[in-house]
Amino acid sequence: GDSVTQMEGPVTLSEEAFLTINCTYTATGYPSLFWYVQYPGEGLQLLLKATKADDKGSNKGFEATYRKETTSFHLEKGSVQVSDSAVYFCALKEKTSYDKVIFGPGTSLSVIP
Amino acid sequence: NAGVTQTPKFQVLKTGQSMTLQCAQDMNHEYMSWYRQDPGMGLRLIHYSVGAGITDQGEVPNGYNVSRSTTEDFPLRLLSAAPSQTSVYFCASSRAAGTDTQYFGPGTRLTVL
Repeated sequence: GDSVTQMEGPVTLSEEAFLTINCTYTATGYPSLFWYVQYPGEGLQLLLKATKADDKGSNKGFEATYRKETTSFHLEKGSVQVSDSAVYFCALKEKTSYDKVIFGPGTSLSVIP
Repeated sequence: NAGVTQTPKFQVLKTGQSMTLQCAQDMNHEYMSWYRQDPGMGLRLIHYSVGAGITDQGEVPNGYNVSRSTTEDFPLRLLSAAPSQTSVYFCASSRAAGTDTQYFGPGTRLTVL
């Protein structure tokens, strides 16, 4: 079945460091891919998405490119801030399925001043 | 516009007790769903609804019931709580079935003793 794998956390970075969180997926079709962010004590918020191969999603300085050849959707940010401390979830949804979004286990990020 | 609201924020139950987790949205969204979040497992779909009067099972439906009598409300019922249902529960909604972006509530943290 479909699945999403993310790098193990927690990740701790200093402010202004470069961030990469790896995400790879397994899917039978051509899914849409997402990154969600969960700040402490809150629900998930959509951070960015990409719906087809080679699309780049971007928001708040974060970027991810849909790589069909490597089945990956890695999240990057050039300079992290303390306010970026959160849990990040990679997810996919098959375009034919309206009932299920497959989430990865989440990667916790802590940014220290 | 409050978005997706959930009550209560925290709840402690004893094994065998019943309770209802409330979820409401004011965005006139047709599609609503319930997830549970457990450490290292991401989010797993419990039940979903594509419109008033229509519900269906997700990935982990056992021990939970839902109903959708109005577009706005989608309560989740635990008929006889078990320790395995200790989790954080999130309600989500989207404009329609098949729409990519889901909007999440702040979550309910449930502990079953």
